[in-house]
Amino acid sequence: GQNIDQPTEMTATEGAIVQINCTYQTSGFNGLFWYQQHAGEAPTFLSYNVLDGLEEKGRFSSFLSRSKGYSYLLLKELQMKDSASYLCAVRDSNYQLIWGAGTKLIIKP
Amino acid sequence: ETGVTQTPRHLVMGMTNKKSLKCEQHLGHNAMYWYKQSAKKPLELMFVYNFKEQTENNSVPSRFSPECPNSSHLFLHLHTLQPEDSALYLCASSQDTSGGAETQYFGPGTRLLVL
Repeated sequence: GQNIDQPTEMTATEGAIVQINCTYQTSGFNGLFWYQQHAGEAPTFLSYNVLDGLEEKGRFSSFLSRSKGYSYLLLKELQMKDSASYLCAVRDSNYQLIWGAGTKLIIKP
Repeated sequence: ETGVTQTPRHLVMGMTNKKSLKCEQHLGHNAMYWYKQSAKKPLELMFVYNFKEQTENNSVPSRFSPECPNSSHLFLHLHTLQPEDSALYLCASSQDTSGGAETQYFGPGTRLLVL
Protein backbone atom coordinates (compact mmCIF):
# COMPACT_ATOMS: atom_id res chain seq x y z
CA GLY A 1 0.00 0.00 0.00
CA GLN A 2 0.94 3.65 -0.17
CA ASN A 3 2.02 5.40 2.97
CA ILE A 4 3.22 8.78 4.16
CA ASP A 5 4.71 9.07 7.66
CA GLN A 6 5.24 12.26 9.63
CA PRO A 7 5.43 12.94 13.36
CA THR A 8 2.08 13.70 14.94
CA GLU A 9 3.22 16.66 16.98
CA MET A 10 6.35 18.74 17.58
CA THR A 11 7.16 21.59 19.94
CA ALA A 12 9.73 24.30 19.35
CA THR A 13 10.74 27.66 20.79
CA GLU A 14 10.18 31.06 19.20
CA GLY A 15 13.28 32.15 17.29
CA ALA A 16 14.63 28.62 16.98
CA ILE A 17 14.84 26.19 14.04
CA VAL A 18 12.69 23.09 13.57
CA GLN A 19 12.84 20.25 11.06
CA ILE A 20 9.69 18.29 10.20
CA ASN A 21 10.40 14.95 8.54
CA CYS A 22 8.30 13.04 6.04
CA THR A 23 8.98 9.55 4.72
CA TYR A 24 6.98 7.97 1.95
CA GLN A 25 6.35 4.68 0.19
CA THR A 26 4.32 5.23 -2.94
CA SER A 27 3.75 3.62 -6.33
CA GLY A 28 5.85 5.99 -8.36
CA PHE A 29 6.84 9.56 -7.65
CA ASN A 30 5.89 12.77 -9.41
CA GLY A 31 6.73 15.32 -6.77
CA LEU A 32 6.30 16.12 -3.10
CA PHE A 33 4.33 18.98 -1.60
CA TRP A 34 4.29 20.70 1.78
CA TYR A 35 1.22 22.58 2.93
CA GLN A 36 0.59 24.65 6.05
CA GLN A 37 -2.81 24.54 7.76
CA HIS A 38 -3.74 26.82 10.63
CA ALA A 39 -6.52 25.56 12.87
CA GLY A 40 -9.91 26.06 11.24
CA GLU A 41 -8.39 27.33 8.01
CA ALA A 42 -7.57 26.09 4.52
CA PRO A 43 -4.32 24.27 3.80
CA THR A 44 -2.01 26.65 1.93
CA PHE A 45 0.80 25.65 -0.42
CA LEU A 46 4.34 26.02 0.89
CA SER A 47 6.68 24.12 -1.42
CA TYR A 48 7.10 21.56 -4.19
CA ASN A 49 10.12 19.29 -4.72
CA VAL A 50 10.58 16.91 -7.62
CA LEU A 51 14.38 16.76 -7.84
CA ASP A 52 16.79 15.86 -5.04
CA GLY A 53 18.13 18.71 -3.00
CA LEU A 54 17.16 21.73 -1.02
CA GLU A 55 14.64 24.38 -2.10
CA GLU A 56 14.83 27.58 -0.08
CA LYS A 57 12.00 30.06 0.19
CA GLY A 58 12.58 32.71 2.82
CA ARG A 59 12.45 31.24 6.32
CA PHE A 60 11.18 27.92 4.96
CA SER A 61 13.24 25.29 3.11
CA SER A 62 12.26 21.87 1.83
CA PHE A 63 14.60 18.97 1.12
CA LEU A 64 14.06 15.83 -0.93
CA SER A 65 15.93 12.55 -1.31
CA ARG A 66 14.10 10.30 -3.75
CA SER A 67 16.41 7.34 -3.19
CA LYS A 68 15.58 7.41 0.52
CA GLY A 69 11.91 8.27 0.14
CA TYR A 70 12.49 11.18 2.49
CA SER A 71 11.77 14.87 2.74
CA TYR A 72 11.97 17.48 5.43
CA LEU A 73 10.59 20.96 5.93
CA LEU A 74 12.96 23.31 7.75
CA LEU A 75 11.55 26.37 9.47
CA LYS A 76 14.02 29.01 10.68
CA GLU A 77 13.58 31.98 13.02
CA LEU A 78 10.33 30.54 14.28
CA GLN A 79 7.48 32.93 14.95
CA MET A 80 4.33 32.34 16.97
CA LYS A 81 2.30 32.50 13.75
CA ASP A 82 4.14 29.37 12.55
CA SER A 83 2.05 27.34 14.99
CA ALA A 84 0.03 25.19 12.58
CA SER A 85 -0.20 21.74 11.09
CA TYR A 86 2.20 20.89 8.27
CA LEU A 87 1.00 18.40 5.67
CA CYS A 88 3.27 16.34 3.44
CA ALA A 89 1.82 14.94 0.20
CA VAL A 90 3.32 12.88 -2.62
CA ARG A 91 2.06 12.68 -6.18
CA ASP A 92 2.20 9.06 -7.33
CA SER A 93 2.54 7.49 -10.78
CA ASN A 94 -1.18 8.05 -11.43
CA TYR A 95 -0.80 11.74 -10.49
CA GLN A 96 -2.89 11.14 -7.36
CA LEU A 97 -1.88 13.07 -4.25
CA ILE A 98 -1.19 10.79 -1.28
CA TRP A 99 -1.38 12.73 1.99
CA GLY A 100 0.25 12.33 5.37
CA ALA A 101 -1.78 12.91 8.53
CA GLY A 102 0.06 16.14 9.25
CA THR A 103 2.42 17.36 11.95
CA LYS A 104 1.04 19.77 14.51
CA LEU A 105 3.75 22.28 15.35
CA ILE A 106 3.46 24.13 18.66
CA ILE A 107 5.63 27.21 19.14
CA LYS A 108 6.35 28.33 22.69
CA PRO A 109 7.61 31.79 23.70
CA GLU B 1 -7.46 34.79 0.43
CA THR B 2 -10.77 34.38 -1.43
CA GLY B 3 -9.61 32.17 -4.31
CA VAL B 4 -11.75 29.24 -3.16
CA THR B 5 -14.84 29.82 -1.04
CA GLN B 6 -17.05 27.31 0.73
CA THR B 7 -20.46 27.61 2.32
CA PRO B 8 -21.65 26.96 4.90
CA ARG B 9 -18.60 27.06 7.16
CA HIS B 10 -20.37 25.02 9.83
CA LEU B 11 -23.26 22.58 9.54
CA VAL B 12 -25.11 20.45 12.07
CA MET B 13 -27.53 17.93 10.66
CA GLY B 14 -29.53 14.94 11.75
CA MET B 15 -29.16 11.57 10.09
CA THR B 16 -32.40 11.99 8.16
CA ASN B 17 -31.69 15.48 6.82
CA LYS B 18 -30.67 16.48 3.33
CA LYS B 19 -28.18 19.32 2.91
CA SER B 20 -25.73 20.58 0.33
CA LEU B 21 -22.22 21.99 0.56
CA LYS B 22 -21.16 24.60 -1.96
CA CYS B 23 -17.73 25.45 -3.31
CA GLU B 24 -16.78 28.22 -5.71
CA GLN B 25 -13.36 28.98 -7.15
CA HIS B 26 -12.36 32.34 -8.63
CA LEU B 27 -8.99 31.21 -10.02
CA GLY B 28 -9.97 30.18 -13.54
CA HIS B 29 -9.11 26.56 -12.81
CA ASN B 30 -10.51 23.54 -14.60
CA ALA B 31 -10.25 20.89 -11.90
CA MET B 32 -12.08 20.73 -8.58
CA TYR B 33 -11.86 18.29 -5.69
CA TRP B 34 -13.75 17.23 -2.58
CA TYR B 35 -11.71 15.98 0.39
CA LYS B 36 -12.72 14.69 3.82
CA GLN B 37 -10.43 15.63 6.71
CA SER B 38 -10.84 13.80 10.02
CA ALA B 39 -8.79 14.51 13.11
CA LYS B 40 -5.30 13.03 12.99
CA LYS B 41 -5.97 11.28 9.68
CA PRO B 42 -4.68 12.01 6.19
CA LEU B 43 -6.83 13.93 3.78
CA GLU B 44 -9.17 11.52 1.99
CA LEU B 45 -9.87 12.32 -1.64
CA MET B 46 -13.56 11.83 -2.38
CA PHE B 47 -14.26 13.17 -5.86
CA VAL B 48 -12.41 14.87 -8.70
CA TYR B 49 -13.87 16.83 -11.58
CA ASN B 50 -11.79 17.95 -14.55
CA PHE B 51 -13.45 20.21 -17.12
CA LYS B 52 -16.81 19.40 -15.45
CA GLU B 53 -16.37 15.65 -15.93
CA GLN B 54 -16.04 13.39 -12.89
CA THR B 55 -12.71 11.59 -13.14
CA GLU B 56 -12.40 10.09 -9.66
CA ASN B 57 -14.81 8.55 -7.20
CA ASN B 58 -12.80 6.93 -4.45
CA SER B 59 -15.34 4.38 -3.25
CA VAL B 60 -17.42 7.06 -1.59
CA PRO B 61 -20.78 5.93 -0.18
CA SER B 62 -23.80 6.93 -2.24
CA ARG B 63 -25.08 9.13 0.59
CA PHE B 64 -22.55 11.66 -0.79
CA SER B 65 -23.48 12.93 -4.23
CA PRO B 66 -21.32 15.48 -6.08
CA GLU B 67 -22.45 17.92 -8.71
CA CYS B 68 -20.32 20.15 -10.93
CA PRO B 69 -22.47 22.42 -13.11
CA ASN B 70 -19.48 24.37 -14.42
CA SER B 71 -15.75 24.68 -13.82
CA SER B 72 -16.23 27.30 -11.12
CA HIS B 73 -18.81 25.58 -8.92
CA LEU B 74 -18.88 22.29 -7.08
CA PHE B 75 -21.55 20.91 -4.77
CA LEU B 76 -21.68 18.00 -2.38
CA HIS B 77 -25.20 16.79 -1.68
CA LEU B 78 -25.63 14.98 1.61
CA HIS B 79 -28.45 12.65 2.68
CA THR B 80 -28.98 10.07 5.41
CA LEU B 81 -25.50 10.62 6.79
CA GLN B 82 -23.98 8.70 9.68
CA PRO B 83 -22.26 10.12 12.78
CA GLU B 84 -18.90 8.87 11.44
CA ASP B 85 -19.33 11.27 8.51
CA SER B 86 -18.69 14.16 10.90
CA ALA B 87 -15.51 15.83 9.64
CA LEU B 88 -14.10 18.86 7.86
CA TYR B 89 -15.00 18.79 4.16
CA LEU B 90 -12.49 20.63 2.03
CA CYS B 91 -12.88 21.78 -1.54
CA ALA B 92 -9.82 22.42 -3.70
CA SER B 93 -9.10 23.49 -7.26
CA SER B 94 -6.16 23.29 -9.65
CA GLN B 95 -5.45 24.32 -13.23
CA ASP B 96 -6.09 20.74 -14.31
CA THR B 97 -5.17 17.22 -13.18
CA SER B 98 -2.33 16.33 -15.52
CA GLY B 99 0.79 18.01 -14.23
CA GLY B 100 3.18 16.74 -11.59
CA ALA B 101 3.71 20.25 -10.25
CA GLU B 102 0.00 21.03 -10.33
CA THR B 103 -0.76 22.86 -7.09
CA GLN B 104 -4.12 22.51 -5.41
CA TYR B 105 -5.68 25.55 -3.75
CA PHE B 106 -8.03 24.87 -0.88
CA GLY B 107 -11.12 26.50 0.52
CA PRO B 108 -11.57 26.96 4.28
CA GLY B 109 -13.79 23.92 4.59
CA THR B 110 -17.20 23.08 6.02
CA ARG B 111 -17.15 21.66 9.53
CA LEU B 112 -19.92 19.04 9.53
CA LEU B 113 -21.44 17.45 12.60
CA VAL B 114 -23.93 14.62 12.14
CA LEU B 115 -26.10 13.90 15.16
